[in-house]
Amino acid sequence: SAVISQKPSRDICQRGTSLTIQCQVDSQVTMMFWYRQQPGQSLTLIATANQGSEATYESGFVIDKFPISRPNLTFSTLTVSNMSPEDSSIYLCSVRAAMKEGSGANVLTFGAGSRLTVL
Amino acid sequence: AQRVTQPEKLLSVFKGAPVELKCNYSYSGSPELFWYVQYSRQRLQLLLRHISRESIKGFTADLNKGETSFHLKKPFAQEEDSAMYYCALNTGGFKTIFGAGTRLFVKA
Repeated sequence: SAVISQKPSRDICQRGTSLTIQCQVDSQVTMMFWYRQQPGQSLTLIATANQGSEATYESGFVIDKFPISRPNLTFSTLTVSNMSPEDSSIYLCSVRAAMKEGSGANVLTFGAGSRLTVL
Repeated sequence: AQRVTQPEKLLSVFKGAPVELKCNYSYSGSPELFWYVQYSRQRLQLLLRHISRESIKGFTADLNKGETSFHLKKPFAQEEDSAMYYCALNTGGFKTIFGAGTRLFVKA
């Protein structure tokens, strides 16, 4: 399956600033997914990033707060804008794993995550 | 609404004891269900999926559509099974919904 590299692995940021998280995949993928995992909570899908088109955001997430870039089939960035302490979370990049069986298309492979702390 | 419920935040068992991590889902269509696991200092990864009907590391999970459940079971827990376990639901589109997770702690 695909190997995902995310950076930074962690960062501590000041309130009001912005941080961009990078996600690099070792193979070409159509869709890349950005998840948020808040402390003690589940993974929540922020948006789906498609190459060549605007990202599709889930309910409760907006482009102004979480702008996403997808310049090619192996790379994406997520920016957390105008951060507040409530944005402290782990942000995960994910892609569909390449499986031999066709029915495995919905299995996800994850990056190691970016742990963001906002003071 | 589509939802995945894992009622237990923490499950603690002794080594060699049976373990069952509960998962219930809410979805009116034909679901595709998964269990993902995150070991300490490792990234989240697939453990098993209901379509495969396989046993991975001694774990099995059966989809019960009548009870809308997909509980994860292992007859004899090992210390290396200690991890965070997430039940997940794909509803046929691109979106996967995760449960809140259950932390399994296997005591020696």
